[in-house]
Amino acid sequence: QQQVKQSPQSLIVQKGGISIINCAYENTAFDYFPWYQQFPGKGPALLIAIRPDVSEKKEGRFTISFNKSAKQFSLHIMDSQPGDSATYFCAASKGDYKLSFGAGTTVTVRA
Amino acid sequence: GAGVSQSPSNKVTEKGKDVELRCDPISGHTALYWYRQSLGQGLEFLIYFQGNSAPDKSGLPSDRFSAERTGGSVSTLTIQRTQQEDSAVYLCASRPASGRNQPQHFGDGTRLSIL
Repeated sequence: QQQVKQSPQSLIVQKGGISIINCAYENTAFDYFPWYQQFPGKGPALLIAIRPDVSEKKEGRFTISFNKSAKQFSLHIMDSQPGDSATYFCAASKGDYKLSFGAGTTVTVRA
Repeated sequence: GAGVSQSPSNKVTEKGKDVELRCDPISGHTALYWYRQSLGQGLEFLIYFQGNSAPDKSGLPSDRFSAERTGGSVSTLTIQRTQQEDSAVYLCASRPASGRNQPQHFGDGTRLSIL
């Protein structure tokens, strides 16, 4: 069964707009929540990560919001640019063990 | 510095043949993972090596799949008697041993196509 559920499957946003991707998890033992960005033909690359003792983390135009009680976390891409067009995966793990991935969201930024 | 290197980048083979996929992790990384990414899907965990500990094989989908890691560095994923449903991108990741929640660094994968 999929331990991390991700939505939407795809989204289209205008340049300068905000992209929002949501994830939910069931396993309360998870304590590490990274987001990966993947371009066609390439492996996933770590974008930003958060631990559950923090409710929000921001790095440049990328922000993770984390709601421990709801077991949900989300990625916000501010001022979206065409170069942000990629597939984004949320993931979760317990410690340094295997990552459980969401199904991915394909983001298209229109100029 | 060099990242995770995987070879071959693409592999096309006939159903029933055996294939070997190679992963060279980042130097000094003691943890190594294999994942499988089917078309349009997320990544599915296959196997995890950590130092000299016994590998966690809990994600291997059948006994046709096996992996080894020689000398704590290079790893090989072997699929015997390949089936069409084995077609996917096989990704390898490595991680440093020390430090809490160190990120996994991925290679660009091997795209496997079974005819």
